[in-house]
Formats: sequence, structure tokens, C-alpha cells
Amino acid sequence: AQKITQTQPGMFVQEKEAVTLDCTYDTSDPSYGLFWYKQPSSGEMIFLIYQGSYDQQNATEGRYSLNFQKARKSANLVISASQLGDSAMYFCAMMWLGGSEKLVFGKGTKLTVNP
Amino acid sequence: DSGVTQTPKHLITATGQRVTLRCSPRSGDLSVYWYQQSLDQGLQFLIHYYNGEERAKGNILERFSAQQFPDLHSELNLSSLELGDSALYFCASSEKPGTTITDTQYFGPGTRLTVL
Repeated sequence: AQKITQTQPGMFVQEKEAVTLDCTYDTSDPSYGLFWYKQPSSGEMIFLIYQGSYDQQNATEGRYSLNFQKARKSANLVISASQLGDSAMYFCAMMWLGGSEKLVFGKGTKLTVNP
Repeated sequence: DSGVTQTPKHLITATGQRVTLRCSPRSGDLSVYWYQQSLDQGLQFLIHYYNGEERAKGNILERFSAQQFPDLHSELNLSSLELGDSALYFCASSEKPGTTITDTQYFGPGTRLTVL
């Protein structure tokens, strides 16, 4: 069964430094999409970045980039130049063809940015 | 702001009661998804509607039902509420029916349900 694993329950980073949040996934389907969402303490889920299984290049969106290693089934989120406002829960999610059109989420990583 | 709206933001009710959560998708989006986020289960997919038709069901209890109306807004009805139904309920919308891997889902702010 498809599964997302985020092994870091919590991460700490100093302001202005870069941080990598880990995500590994398990699927036998060759067609899938990987998504990262941010959930601040206020509760909303904010879409950050997307990577498709057939994409040749790693996705980037501003300070967010995705380190996609298909053979290792990992899709780590890299946040550069961390800001205090980056403190939040971060969720990795996957959808796949034939997967009932749903997102499957990992348990999340709580990122704290220290001043 | 994702463009997805959900009402109410907070809901407090008693066991055995029935509530209705409302969601309006982003302009132009035809798909609406419902998810439940709880401490023990994490984020779980409940149900998906596309242009008024049910497309997929997840771990949705029989006490729960949903529909999508002609104006594309959706309602999630929760009945015979139990303490364990307390959770954050999200609605998400996307443009397509979810049959491509590029179909990004944009989430609303959620409705926090507390069952006392």
C-alpha cells in the first residue's frame, strides 16, 4: 500500500540557515505526484511545492526546493534562508494514478526556527 | 489565502447531535475533497466530489455524508456525533477530477469541531 514516511517529528534551525525535511514514500505505481504542505499554528494547510514522478528536474518555488531522488524514493523539502514565519508543521503527501484521487499524508515534521 | 472558504471556523456541539460543515471551492475548481485531521489518525481522506458527482470514498463513517451542489459548494454532514469525531475538518478543491498526478489540491482554513 502507498505510504508516506516523515521520520523527523521535530526539527530546529537557526534563522537564515537552510533546513532539510525528510520524506520517503512507498508506491509501486510509476505515475505519482508528491506535494508539500505547511500548516502554521493557525491551522490552515498551505500548498508549497509539487514534484511529479516523471519530472526530470527538481522542483523549486522561491525559498523552497525539493530534493527528489526517485531511486531512493525520497522527496526531501529544502527551505533556504529560514525565517521565523517558517515555524510550522510540514506535511509530505502523495497522490497516484489509480489511487482514488486522494492525497495520502505523512505524519508531519514540526519545524521551529530560532532567532 | 487559497481561495477555498469553509464555514463555520469553529463548532462546539454535544454527543448525539448533527452538524453541517460548508465549503466553497476556488473559482473555477470543480473538484471538492474532504479530509479529517485528528491527533491519533493524522490527515485522512474522507470523500471526493467532482462537478456534483461522488468520485471516491475514503475512511468515511456511515454516520457522515456529503454532497456537492450545482453551484459547486459542498456540505459535509456529521450525525450521531461521538467524542472521537472531534477533529479539524478540511475541504480542498482542485480544477480537475483528480485523474492526473499534477492535480494540486488547495485547502480551506478548516472547521474545528469539538464534541463535548
